Amino acid sequence: EPEVTQTPSHQVTQMGQEVILRCVPISNHLYFYWYRQILGQKVEFLVSFYNNEISEKSEIFDDQFSVERPDGSNFTLKIRSTKLEDSAMYFCASSERPWAQEGYTFGSGTRLTVV
Amino acid sequence: DAKTTQPNSMESNEEEPVHLPCNHSTISGTDYIHWYRQLPSQGPEYVIHGLTSNVNNRMASLAIAEDRKSSTLILHRATLRDAAVYYCILRDGLKGAQKLVFGQGTRLTINP
Repeated sequence: EPEVTQTPSHQVTQMGQEVILRCVPISNHLYFYWYRQILGQKVEFLVSFYNNEISEKSEIFDDQFSVERPDGSNFTLKIRSTKLEDSAMYFCASSERPWAQEGYTFGSGTRLTVV
Repeated sequence: DAKTTQPNSMESNEEEPVHLPCNHSTISGTDYIHWYRQLPSQGPEYVIHGLTSNVNNRMASLAIAEDRKSSTLILHRATLRDAAVYYCILRDGLKGAQKLVFGQGTRLTINP
């Protein structure tokens, strides 16, 4: 079954450093998403992306965050200057179409630890 | 966005059926009912969705009340691998790309 692949599985970074989280969505999917989950809390929406632009973003997705689809296969989330509170699991998801008649496929996540 | 209400936790025994309830009394006529689950240390996983009629797939069944104000996810024969947090989420069928709004979900424990 097709999968969404995320790398790395775990990243430790120092506060103030830039990090890039990588995702390879399912090949025929056109809609891409990032979510995060702080330990013990709900899964929260960050951003959705289609046709090389952001469709929707949450309040969490401030100027420190950016997304990019640098080639035909990767979808990346960049945090410019990490803070301690950015420590969380980050999940990438994709869908072939955005309609409510279909489900999203999520990756297994990247655990980001900011020290 | 219409909200859903689920019990915080449920417990069941292996090889028995499990019925996970969800209330969505403010559901609109165009809202689809989606279920996702999150296994320990994994990302959310799509389980099933429906609009008005009951639905079956290889993972589960979804029973939707006639007034659509509640629904039940049914795992016909639970295994230890079904231990997860189960989320009931509404998605508006009239909107395009839209975020999934996760609540706290129901933490399902399966006893051997």
